[in-house]
Amino acid sequence: NAGVTQTPKFQVLKTGQSMTLQCAQDMNHNSMYWYRQDPGMGLRLIYYSASEGTTDKGEVPNGYNVSRLNKREFSLRLESAAPSQTSVYFCASSEVTGATEAFFGQGTRLTVV
Amino acid sequence: KQEVTQIPAALSVPEGENLVLNCSFTDSAIYNLQWFRQDPGKGLTSLLLIQSSQREQTSGRLNASLDKSSGRSTLYIAASQPGDSATYLCAVTDQGGKLIFGQGTELSVKP
Repeated sequence: NAGVTQTPKFQVLKTGQSMTLQCAQDMNHNSMYWYRQDPGMGLRLIYYSASEGTTDKGEVPNGYNVSRLNKREFSLRLESAAPSQTSVYFCASSEVTGATEAFFGQGTRLTVV
Repeated sequence: KQEVTQIPAALSVPEGENLVLNCSFTDSAIYNLQWFRQDPGKGLTSLLLIQSSQREQTSGRLNASLDKSSGRSTLYIAASQPGDSATYLCAVTDQGGKLIFGQGTELSVKP
């Protein structure tokens, strides 16, 4: 019963470095999401994928890219990290029709110095 | 553009009180509405999901209602306990499949 697995759990980057956050779900969900959570800002949608092979921008996509590698995996890439991208990142999955609840990973705490 | 608002932003109550958390959304074209709980430093845990055709859902001491036409939902917590202290978030799934969150209500239940 793994649910949604995110790696890594913690990461410190220097400004300008790149990295990829990995997310995998084992519930056969069609939809996957990447959010960032900052104090006082709630969860803001970065990108989402309604189904394998499709991705769409959310509220705050600038500075990020995503890949829906297959139905299970959805990765988030920071090409050139900036201090403003210091945040907690969450991956989630659900069914696009909203017929089931959404499940979340435990988060990745990223610090860019 | 769908916007989700939660009121109040923070709430402190003594143990044993019944309480209501509010959530409103601007576009009634939704698939569902969900309530989540988040403990400090942790991920989100789903509490209740209400499909767009439903009016309410219950789980133990929790009851969530949905009035889609007015764009409102409430989460009722009966007989609150210190262990209920957490941040509660509501989210709607819009017709495009996006899951959009409110900013949450931080609940503190005092012993």
